[in-house]
Amino acid sequence: SYELTQPRSVSVALGQTARITCGGNNIGSKNLHWYQQKPGQAPVLVIYRGTNRPSGIPERFSGSNSGNTATLTISRAQAGDEADYYCQVWDSSTGIFGRGTKVTVL
Amino acid sequence: ELQLVESGGGLVQPGGSLRLSCAASGFSVRSNYMSWVRQAPGKGLEWVSVISSGGSTYYADSVKGRFTISRDNSKNTLYLQMNSLRAEDTAVYYCARGLYYADSDCYFDYWGQGTLVTVSS
Repeated sequence: SYELTQPRSVSVALGQTARITCGGNNIGSKNLHWYQQKPGQAPVLVIYRGTNRPSGIPERFSGSNSGNTATLTISRAQAGDEADYYCQVWDSSTGIFGRGTKVTVL
Repeated sequence: ELQLVESGGGLVQPGGSLRLSCAASGFSVRSNYMSWVRQAPGKGLEWVSVISSGGSTYYADSVKGRFTISRDNSKNTLYLQMNSLRAEDTAVYYCARGLYYADSDCYFDYWGQGTLVTVSS
């Protein structure tokens, strides 16, 4: 089955840019989605189909996807961006999540 | 306002059964791809099952043959019948609305708050 690889953790200084990667075989050919999950809360969709932001998600969140790596970029990181982030694809009628990346804002 | 509210979680012994419910409001469950996603304590998200708008069902290998997803259109409610429960099924179970695209893509735009299932003797 298809696998998604994420780093366990990413640290970013307040106001700087965080980049969270999601690797997979030819992932650039797939539609890639990103979720943010804060402790004790349900996940929230932040990017869908690679580059699209749902209503209410700040423009500071952006996505890209090419080759074997997709990237979620958080610009001007804020303390409130501290969370776990998961990438997700749909493959052969099943949902597949990456293992998640914990983002720490220093 | 779109809302999903799960219920039915609790403590169950290994080998036991439990049925989770997810009441939807603001949209129709029969018109969407509705999924269950779980999260074991301290772990990541794991997709469990989906029921398509056409009624087709699919499962993760880890639950195939033990869990059954269904819906009641009249009650606008999604269900997950869980049988032969194991300790490794312990998790928060979320229901989520899936948006399906013709290019065989699906993502989850609304999630419930989750219900905790604990399998232990």
